[in-house]
Amino acid sequence: DSGVTQTPKHLITATGQRVTLRCSPRSGDLSVYWYQQSLDQGLQFLIQYYNGEERAKGNILERFSAQQFPDLHSELNLSSLELGDSALYFCASGSGTRRQETQYFGPGTRLLVL
Amino acid sequence: GQSLEQPSEVTAVEGAIVQINCTYQTSGFYGLSWYQQHDGGAPTFLSYNALDGLEETGRFSSFLSRSDSYGYLLLQELQMKDSASYFCAVPGNTPLVFGKGTRLSVIA
Repeated sequence: DSGVTQTPKHLITATGQRVTLRCSPRSGDLSVYWYQQSLDQGLQFLIQYYNGEERAKGNILERFSAQQFPDLHSELNLSSLELGDSALYFCASGSGTRRQETQYFGPGTRLLVL
Repeated sequence: GQSLEQPSEVTAVEGAIVQINCTYQTSGFYGLSWYQQHDGGAPTFLSYNALDGLEETGRFSSFLSRSDSYGYLLLQELQMKDSASYFCAVPGNTPLVFGKGTRLSVIA
């Protein structure tokens, strides 16, 4: 158990809909990272937050947005969903203080868009 | 940008030794990390090399050669539970850039 929690575990929705994925980092970690993993794309970094502020941005679509709240939990919002958004979404946490640090991954949310 | 190359699949026999290679291209190298991911599970951290040489942690070892932009993960005394995907990763324009992963199948 990494100490990172994610809800929900599974999500099935329809194209055009909007969903929110939630992540709580490990106790003491200030940084949250979001990743998308699909079969042919591997682990794709989406976005990082550190202590409530956006710190790094990866290949995140404009239809996707995220935020980190004062209690450090984070939410990833996916809107106008398309079939291709079906994937595993992982949240990871870390201290955010070093250039390369160990990231602790949550169990993931499996999203299926029908 | 950054790029990492690792074999897509490796098969090895239970009890044997297997080496998973990773070559990388990145600017501002800080170190090479390895993560393990079982099917349906989350990636978990295995090891990190910032300096050249071999780091050993139980049955797993990781090696780095910064001059060759190359590293490998060595798994000894393979067990069936080692069947998983293994990712190398380096920081780049984003906090971590992952390779596409090597799927290790351990067979009896």
